Amino acid sequence: EDQVTQSPEALRLQEGESSSLNCSYTVSGLRGLFWYRQDPGKGPEFLFTLYSAGEEKEKERLKATLTKKESFLHITAPKPEDSATYLCAVSGYALNFGKGTSLLVTP
Amino acid sequence: NAGVTQTPKFRVLKTGQSMTLLCAQDMNHEYMYWYRQDPGMGLRLIHYSVGEGTTAKGEVPDGYNVSRLKKQNFLLGLESAAPSQTSVYFCASRALRTSEGGELFFGEGSRLTVL
Repeated sequence: EDQVTQSPEALRLQEGESSSLNCSYTVSGLRGLFWYRQDPGKGPEFLFTLYSAGEEKEKERLKATLTKKESFLHITAPKPEDSATYLCAVSGYALNFGKGTSLLVTP
Repeated sequence: NAGVTQTPKFRVLKTGQSMTLLCAQDMNHEYMYWYRQDPGMGLRLIHYSVGEGTTAKGEVPDGYNVSRLKKQNFLLGLESAAPSQTSVYFCASRALRTSEGGELFFGEGSRLTVL
């Protein structure tokens, strides 16, 4: 059975303080690892898809990386507008989501 | 550019009442999904559809029914609502099978409270 575990559950950063979010996964044959951003009261918004170990993708202050067992979402010099819940998911017949990391960036 | 639209956005029901949530997508996607999101539980798949006229059970299907009579619409029904079905419901769609890659596009959610 596919499993996705995200850590930490919550993270508070000062503006400009870089950090990383972790997504550990167990899946029989990875067919894609997805990162989403979710703002309060909104639906998840797609960020990245990674398919193979060693792959990296970047978007503004975010960089996602993938190994055979985990993925990291690196946030460089975050701003308050980066505050959101970040969701990780692996691909099966649907997407199997982790419980998310709630990120708060304070000025 | 509407994408995925869910109606209603908010609803309060009494235990035992029935209701239907409607999901409409304008992207001509084959695959559609219903998830529920609860605090501490994350997003859990209720039912999904791989094309018009087809549906399948997900992780937490009990107490729900679905129908996909038209490609663009995916309906989620609660025949006899229970307090345990208080949740935020999200509809999503995609063009490709998840095993072939491609992201899900989500609606804004429907917040349901069952008293």
